[in-house]
Amino acid sequence: NAGVTQTPKFQVLKTGQSMTLQCAQDMNHEYMSWYRQDPGMGLRLIHYSVGAGITDQGEVPNGYNVSRSTTEDFPLRLLSAAPSQTSVYFCASFTSYNSPLHFGNGTRLTVT
Amino acid sequence: GQQVMQIPQYQHVQEGEDFTTYCNSSTTLSNIQWYKQRPGGHPVFLIQLVKSGEVKKQKRLTFQFGEAKKNSSLHITATQTTDVGTYFCAAPTSGTYKYIFGTGTRLKVLA
Repeated sequence: NAGVTQTPKFQVLKTGQSMTLQCAQDMNHEYMSWYRQDPGMGLRLIHYSVGAGITDQGEVPNGYNVSRSTTEDFPLRLLSAAPSQTSVYFCASFTSYNSPLHFGNGTRLTVT
Repeated sequence: GQQVMQIPQYQHVQEGEDFTTYCNSSTTLSNIQWYKQRPGGHPVFLIQLVKSGEVKKQKRLTFQFGEAKKNSSLHITATQTTDVGTYFCAAPTSGTYKYIFGTGTRLKVLA
């Protein structure tokens, strides 16, 4: 079972460039989330989705866009990358309110 | 907004010593989950606590949920080098599907 798949694993961007971090899950989970992880800050929620066509903001949404056209995919878009967006990004999915989060392996992003 | 504070931020222990990390919330939590992240890895689910005063054990790990459902703890007895990693607590924001994570406790075990 693939679970939650994130691509790419590593990415280097220059300030102002745009890119999309991909996240796909094959577990038919309704709920998906994006987190960023910075040293000493834990995991902070960027955006989340409760189903296809429905997204909402998390704790740190500025600078990021998301969409959810299918149950499987939940891409995260950086429209104009900034050095402050250098981080490790994790995508997670889960089935219901009290169920565990399943994480992808993460994308390490560096913005210079 | 809802915040989950976790202490300590770091803990170094000798192998065989015990370890405890604590999570505290200013609001009542419907449930709390615990995750472990190995160095260079992703968070992996350990356990979920739902009931007031609940205690669950997994081998050397003991998880507790406070009576007021505002705090929780993870205790590891007789740590081993395989316990190295960062331990996070997480809880849903009231009435939503937003899971908020604590800042994590990084455990280092010295052999």
